[in-house]
Amino acid sequence: QKEVEQDPGPLSVPEGAIVSLNCTYSNSAFQYFMWYRQYSRKGPELLMYTYSSGNKEDGRFTAQVDKSSKYISLFIRDSQPSDSATYLCAMSGSSASKIIFGSGTRLSIRP
Amino acid sequence: GAGVSQSPRYKVTKRGQDVALRCDPISGHVSLYWYRQALGQGPEFLTYFNYEAQQDKSGLPNDRFSAERPEGSISTLTIQRTEQRDSAMYRCASSARTARVEKLFFGSGTQLSVL
Repeated sequence: QKEVEQDPGPLSVPEGAIVSLNCTYSNSAFQYFMWYRQYSRKGPELLMYTYSSGNKEDGRFTAQVDKSSKYISLFIRDSQPSDSATYLCAMSGSSASKIIFGSGTRLSIRP
Repeated sequence: GAGVSQSPRYKVTKRGQDVALRCDPISGHVSLYWYRQALGQGPEFLTYFNYEAQQDKSGLPNDRFSAERPEGSISTLTIQRTEQRDSAMYRCASSARTARVEKLFFGSGTQLSVL
């Protein structure tokens, strides 16, 4: 079993829709949770991060962590065609430990 | 440039040859990570360094893979006796580690093809 599981998609939604992306994990030591966005033929870029449980909002993006369920989510409101990319969740146990990535969800926003 | 630089951008080699992939991190960045990314997959952890010390090499697939960062800056990932299954995008990332959460800055990667 992988430490981090992520539905690969692809996920296609119309412009303006709310998008929900999710990951589950098995390692209860994970405390830092991140979302990276990767455009085609580019390296991943950090989008958001949260520490431990709770919600974090940044513009149209909201990250949620439920440590009791070992489940994290990224919500995108008012989705735009420019949001079309692969979204990768990532996690680590501390600020000094290795960062493990999910397999990524490919998202397409239809104009 | 100010970003993470990887070279070569593309490497084609014959099975059995050794290859060395280079990563030049952002100046002053403490942490340096190596990942391997197959097409349509997320980055797979290989190893990481804090300064010159290799902190974790648990992701290296076997003893044909090794990495070093002798002066705490440039790093080299070496694959000996390459096999076709080693073909992938190899990505390097660096981090300043000044914040609680590491923000990784990724390079453009080296696309390795083993024939």
